[in-house]
Amino acid sequence: KQEVTQIPAALSVPEGENLVLNCSFTDSAIYNLQWFRQDPGKGLTSLLLIQSSQREQTSGRLNASLDKSSGRSTLYIAASQPGDSATYLCAVPLGKGTASKLTFGTGTRLQVTL
Amino acid sequence: NAGVMQNPRHLVRRRGQEARLRCSPMKGHSHVYWYRQLPEEGLKFMVYLQKENIIDESGMPKERFSAEFPKEGPSILRIQQVVRGDSAAYFCASSPPQGQGANEQYFGPGTRLTVT
Repeated sequence: KQEVTQIPAALSVPEGENLVLNCSFTDSAIYNLQWFRQDPGKGLTSLLLIQSSQREQTSGRLNASLDKSSGRSTLYIAASQPGDSATYLCAVPLGKGTASKLTFGTGTRLQVTL
Repeated sequence: NAGVMQNPRHLVRRRGQEARLRCSPMKGHSHVYWYRQLPEEGLKFMVYLQKENIIDESGMPKERFSAEFPKEGPSILRIQQVVRGDSAAYFCASSPPQGQGANEQYFGPGTRLTVT
């Protein structure tokens, strides 16, 4: 059974800092890994998807890395801004096929202060 | 290209009533997933459907819950005889057919169900 854990559970940083969010998974036979952002009372916004054959993906100030063998992924946020405040979730598919249900991590609640 | 649409956004039901949640996937997407987020908990998978087929319902409670994705129209998640424990945010996601789009799931804004 796949279990996904995120550390830390909550994080508060001043504006401008670079930060790293961690995601670990117990079964390394994953097809891909997806990072999402969820604002309070809102839906999920997909940030980055890393295929199992890739080691990292970048989008703007976000960089996600994937190390399948160690069962870990990190989301790096450069020059954080108050608008980055949200809960960040990582998720992996449970099946081996290209379309499969996701197992979500527990989330990291980020607050960026002025 | 509109994103995943869900309605209603908020739904209030009394105990014992029925709740119907609708999800329209993104254009061209043939896979629909339903997830539930209980208060202060993470998202949990409920059911995965393709047009007219339930592919995986391993996360659905055995009683009172059902889902469909008809040939025409939105996917429906139906909860009969709701109880207070059904109060949660229900999210729908869609993804393109296999072999396209790298299996990225796109989520709707969710329906927040409150049972009084």
